[in-house]
Amino acid sequence: DTAVSQTPKYLVTQMGNDKSIKCEQNLGHDTMYWYKQDSKKFLKIMFSYNNKELIINETVPNRFSPKSPDKAHLNLHINSLELGDSAVYFCASSRDRGTDTEAFFGQGTRLTVV
Amino acid sequence: GESVGLHLPTLSVQEGDNSIINCAYSNSASDYFIWYKQESGKGPQFIIDIRSNMDKRQGQRVTVLLNKTVKHLSLQIAATQPGDSAVYFCAENEYGNKLVFGAGTILRVKS
Repeated sequence: DTAVSQTPKYLVTQMGNDKSIKCEQNLGHDTMYWYKQDSKKFLKIMFSYNNKELIINETVPNRFSPKSPDKAHLNLHINSLELGDSAVYFCASSRDRGTDTEAFFGQGTRLTVV
Repeated sequence: GESVGLHLPTLSVQEGDNSIINCAYSNSASDYFIWYKQESGKGPQFIIDIRSNMDKRQGQRVTVLLNKTVKHLSLQIAATQPGDSAVYFCAENEYGNKLVFGAGTILRVKS
């Protein structure tokens, strides 16, 4: 069984559209994240939720809105997509908010804005 | 701001040789470090971690060394295999499980 699963795996869309990426984890973890990986493979955290509560919100345009209906799900909605939003987006989860627990990552969603 | 960086963007090694991937970090307050492996088309996969109260930790074929004096982290892979070819990231775990990743090192294993 996939521990952290996100859909879709690939997403091609036009500028200005609104799209969502879904993420689910079956690990029973309390904390979930969204990371963005650019074309140079640099990984940067965008958001973190703990038990449906927003914990980390890095400097991300407000066109990006995470939504956590329950602690097993963290979806990412993006409004008015721009070319620069093209990247691979990774969902991840970890057991708690402590500083010594690793994050488990999903397979990624490759978003291409044309 | 604080960041984690890698010295070598690409490392090519012969199959069977040992690999060493290095990482320099700048946040002296970080007390937990992780190495991840990312294969093409996949998400980062946990390899090994180390807490700041340790200077060495061994896993299966992998060893992580931490030198807090010079803020340096390394990943050693013994008897490198073709399946080890991937991008390797070091990451430091800040507050609230915020992972700050380094730039990544590409490891290429030649058969």
